[in-house]
Amino acid sequence: DQQVKQNSPSLSVQEGRISILNCDYTNSMFDYFLWYKKYPAEGPTFLISISSIKDKNEDGRFTVFLNKSAKHLSLHIVPSQPGDSAVYFCAASAGSSASKIIFGSGTRLSIRP
Amino acid sequence: KAGVTQTPRYLIKTRGQQVTLSCSPISGHRSVSWYQQTPGQGLQFLFEYFSETQRNKGNFPGRFSGRQFSNSRSEMNVSTLELGDSALYLCASSLTGHAAQETQYFGPGTRLLVL
Repeated sequence: DQQVKQNSPSLSVQEGRISILNCDYTNSMFDYFLWYKKYPAEGPTFLISISSIKDKNEDGRFTVFLNKSAKHLSLHIVPSQPGDSAVYFCAASAGSSASKIIFGSGTRLSIRP
Repeated sequence: KAGVTQTPRYLIKTRGQQVTLSCSPISGHRSVSWYQQTPGQGLQFLFEYFSETQRNKGNFPGRFSGRQFSNSRSEMNVSTLELGDSALYLCASSLTGHAAQETQYFGPGTRLLVL
């Protein structure tokens, strides 16, 4: 049973436009949500996070939205740039330990010129 | 500050063999976690070590084991390799191990292929 789902394995967006990556979760006990970005041959790097007490967190071009009633998380990238082409993992946690973090399967984002 | 390093980067083994992977965390970080990533799957948690003690273990068979040394370097071992163990093995370090609230820094991974 996947507790964290990224239903779109891939997404293609034109440079300069908005990229929206989606994530759904099932466990209402999750209280912290994270997004990681991964380039080929590199490990994931932390991008942005949000606590369950908030519904929005913004960092530069990246904004994460949390809809607790729908158990839905989204990452908006505006404007999209070629360097944003990567695999994006969403993750959710029901505690502070690494063992409590559940990762989605990832969405491959391609930014086309 | 040097990042998380993992050795080797690539490894080919045959079924039944064993393998040891190494991870050196960022200097000063005392927590090391290991994850397995297979195609189409997210990262699956293997273990977490803090100050040489295993704090948590994921849902993997006993063939998967690990340890952490006094300098925080960590190793994981997989015995009696199976084809399904082919994966990218990632380690991540953080200061205190509160991985949700503090940033985890990942290494580049070791890609293991079992033939």
